[in-house]
Amino acid sequence: GAGVSQSPSNKVTEKGKDVELRCDPISGHTALYWYRQSLGQGLEFLIYFQGNSAPDKSGLPSDRFSAERTGGSVSTLTIQRTQQEDSAVYLCASSLAPGVNTGELFFGEGSRLTVL
Amino acid sequence: GENVEQHPSTLSVQEGDSAVIKCTYSDSASNYFPWYKQELGKRPQLIIDIRSNVGEKKDQRIAVTLNKTAKHFSLHITETQPEDSAVYFCAASIGNNDMRFGAGTRLTVKP
Repeated sequence: GAGVSQSPSNKVTEKGKDVELRCDPISGHTALYWYRQSLGQGLEFLIYFQGNSAPDKSGLPSDRFSAERTGGSVSTLTIQRTQQEDSAVYLCASSLAPGVNTGELFFGEGSRLTVL
Repeated sequence: GENVEQHPSTLSVQEGDSAVIKCTYSDSASNYFPWYKQELGKRPQLIIDIRSNVGEKKDQRIAVTLNKTAKHFSLHITETQPEDSAVYFCAASIGNNDMRFGAGTRLTVKP
């Protein structure tokens, strides 16, 4: 596809359940980010993947959160034992490799997670 | 990692007035500073960026200034229009690597 694709667009789950959110970045983009945006709030950094380097996981809020990126392309963000405070929009973004002229991040539409 | 502070959190101006949003960053190695605009219900999109080898960049009604010594940068919007109403985010990174965002500024332009 032409842009960053995220699925599902909406997810309603019960407290305590696990959820998986998927991100398909733009082809050829080696950098991939996950951010969390709570209602009316900013872009909270979660995790950053760059090529084959070890990901920067410093933004993950707890050990219930994990993410992987297989084959340098698709990424999955997993939230285990969801809590109500996990309710937010989870945004994925991708960009070309660092050092190139443009550092523009291209965002997906986001996955809106609601934990009841 | 990089820490980016942004203010004000909300800003209301009359149509035609100017708006200024300011950001500071913590890592002196940061050298790439983009600004994103997020309209209601939409994804953030890049509107302008600046690299540390220049002090100012302008694109029509939008300009960014950078003070490396003080580690702060600003977004200036002149002749504001209602369609400028949105949330604006600043960000900082080293070589567009590992991008960190400020908390955002909600700009309202009153007609």
